Amino acid sequence: SQQGEEDPQALSIQEGENATMNCSYKTSINNLQWYRQNSGRGLVHLILIRSNEREKHSGRLRVTLDTSKKSSSLLITASRAADTASYFCATAEYYGNNRLAFGKGNQVVVIP
Amino acid sequence: DGGITQSPKYLFRKEGQNVTLSCEQNLNHDAMYWYRQDPGQGLRLIYYSQIVNDFQKGDIAEGYSVSREKKESFPLTVTSAQKNPTAFYLCASSSGGAAFFGQGTRLTVV
Repeated sequence: SQQGEEDPQALSIQEGENATMNCSYKTSINNLQWYRQNSGRGLVHLILIRSNEREKHSGRLRVTLDTSKKSSSLLITASRAADTASYFCATAEYYGNNRLAFGKGNQVVVIP
Repeated sequence: DGGITQSPKYLFRKEGQNVTLSCEQNLNHDAMYWYRQDPGQGLRLIYYSQIVNDFQKGDIAEGYSVSREKKESFPLTVTSAQKNPTAFYLCASSSGGAAFFGQGTRLTVV
């Protein structure tokens, strides 16, 4: 079954604004990860948050995890034109089988 | 350079043919994955392998086959049974945390 379902909306913002996207999932997880993909390329790992963590920061990225609601959010602060990409969340299932399931992605366009 | 390499970048297949996509990693990762990406549908898991000589079906394994004879290599064969193989295929590897992706193979049926 597909885990890691982002709100499938395209987001268009001005440079300097913040971008927020959400992800929901259905079963117990070990961790949740966010990835970025530029058009026609492979995915690049951004940040991983474990199931016992509630918030994590990495540079201009802030991720939250609410395991009671089975949801996560990714905030990109002070966006730049170079942040234009698709962003995916992925869940690693709790039972340690290394299965990594991705959602549909969220396209972000940052206008200079 | 450590990383994960997919080849070829572009592949054209005639209907009824089997084709094999290559994926090699030198990151010493145990887990490897194959995903298919279609426009608007995100990444769907085809097969994954946790260890050499072992692999499990993902959500859309029908029409595909894999092998894992070496830790470094996880080739994907798209068989003639896969009725709609035109897509972007992504391979990844992981040691249990972040996954590292190749640059993808774009397969087109002609």
